[in-house]
Amino acid sequence: DIQMTQSPSSLSASVGDRVTITCRASQTISNYLNWYQQKPGRAPNLLIYAASSLESGVPSRFSGSGSGTDFSLSISGLQPEDFASYYCQQSLSPPLTFGGGTKVEIK
Amino acid sequence: QVQLVESGGGVVQPGRSLRLSCGTSGFSFSSYGIHWVRQAPGKGLEWVAAISYDGRNKNYGDSVKGRFTISRDNSKNTLFLQMNSLRAEDTAVYYCAKDRGRYLEWMLWGVDYWGQGTLVTVSS
Repeated sequence: DIQMTQSPSSLSASVGDRVTITCRASQTISNYLNWYQQKPGRAPNLLIYAASSLESGVPSRFSGSGSGTDFSLSISGLQPEDFASYYCQQSLSPPLTFGGGTKVEIK
Repeated sequence: QVQLVESGGGVVQPGRSLRLSCGTSGFSFSSYGIHWVRQAPGKGLEWVAAISYDGRNKNYGDSVKGRFTISRDNSKNTLFLQMNSLRAEDTAVYYCAKDRGRYLEWMLWGVDYWGQGTLVTVSS
């Protein structure tokens, strides 16, 4: 199985900051990497698919990059509604494993 | 609009069975693969299983393989998860989610619509 390692597990930031979350795969997954946002008590929401493609309706301050084993999600100009947990997921081969998550908290 | 609604959760004793359902509307159900993803209380997301648009291909997570069975009824736009030999560690909110890709493009580009989840608690 492909293991996904996210870092950091949590971070504190202020409104307006630029935030970057990283995700590393245990083997190469090309660009089969997706990012989700989850707010407390809510279902996750797809932000980025294919490593860097922005899902429809997602604000352009979210961006994804990377290929192979190393990926990142960046949020430029953090907004109050962005304080949430973020998960990466590989979709190269089943089981479609998630990273452990990153909780973005208000500083 | 796209809707997925899970049902069937509840409290069940270890070793017993439970069947979850996911009713859908607002999209061509028979064109898309569907997934089950779970989240234990206070924990991260865990992918459970997925089934192809036609029901012919199924995949499972390691922790549920051999105990859980995913199925679908395209005539009723409904997905199922039969959970047998339940364990305390199966306690979680179970979400059904629609694959982003149609037909054979499934399991490549994530899941784009989710239900609200149904809580399964395995406890004596």
